Amino acid sequence: AQTVTQSQPEMSVQEAETVTLSCTYDTSESDYYLFWYKQPPSRQMILVIRQEAYKQQNATENRFSVNFQKAAKSFSLKISDSQLGDAAMYFCAYRSAANNDMRFGAGTRLTVKP
Amino acid sequence: EPEVTQTPSHQVTQMGQEVILRCVPISNHLYFYWYRQILGQKVEFLVSFYNNEISEKSEIFDDQFSVERPDGSNFTLKIRSTKLEDSAMYFCAAGRGSSYEQYFGPGTRLTVT
Repeated sequence: AQTVTQSQPEMSVQEAETVTLSCTYDTSESDYYLFWYKQPPSRQMILVIRQEAYKQQNATENRFSVNFQKAAKSFSLKISDSQLGDAAMYFCAYRSAANNDMRFGAGTRLTVKP
Repeated sequence: EPEVTQTPSHQVTQMGQEVILRCVPISNHLYFYWYRQILGQKVEFLVSFYNNEISEKSEIFDDQFSVERPDGSNFTLKIRSTKLEDSAMYFCAAGRGSSYEQYFGPGTRLTVT
């Protein structure tokens, strides 16, 4: 079974600085998708970024980028120029191309200090 | 981007009662999902729904749970006889296709007393 591990329960960053959140996953499949979701205090799940496993190029969305290392099964999220509104729980998620259920990590709580 | 909506935002019910949680997915999305998040824990997959039938379900989704899309717009999750451990945040999600990302609704907080 696929598992997703986020080894950092909490992280903090100074406003305008850069922070990297870690995620590793375990799978025997070659075709899958990876996601980062943000959950602010409102508890809504907001898609931050997505990566297809067959793409070697790392996905980027404005201040958010990933470092996807397929061989190492690692999928970290880098947030540049951190803003106060980035404070939230961040969940890494895995979804096989063969089915629809997403597996989530336990989350990392990010605090942004002014 | 259009939004997935869910009602109610908070539901309080007594143990043993039936509850129905409602979701209105994005109109051109064909795949629908329910997830739950027990307070302080990770988000867990319950079920996926496509073409008016369940396509996958987890071990959590036992006989007390059911889903349907009765009128072509609302997507509902029914819990037949609630238990205390059903207290959680329930998220509906929708996607255009199986290879596309899933967009989540704001969630329904279910409290079983």
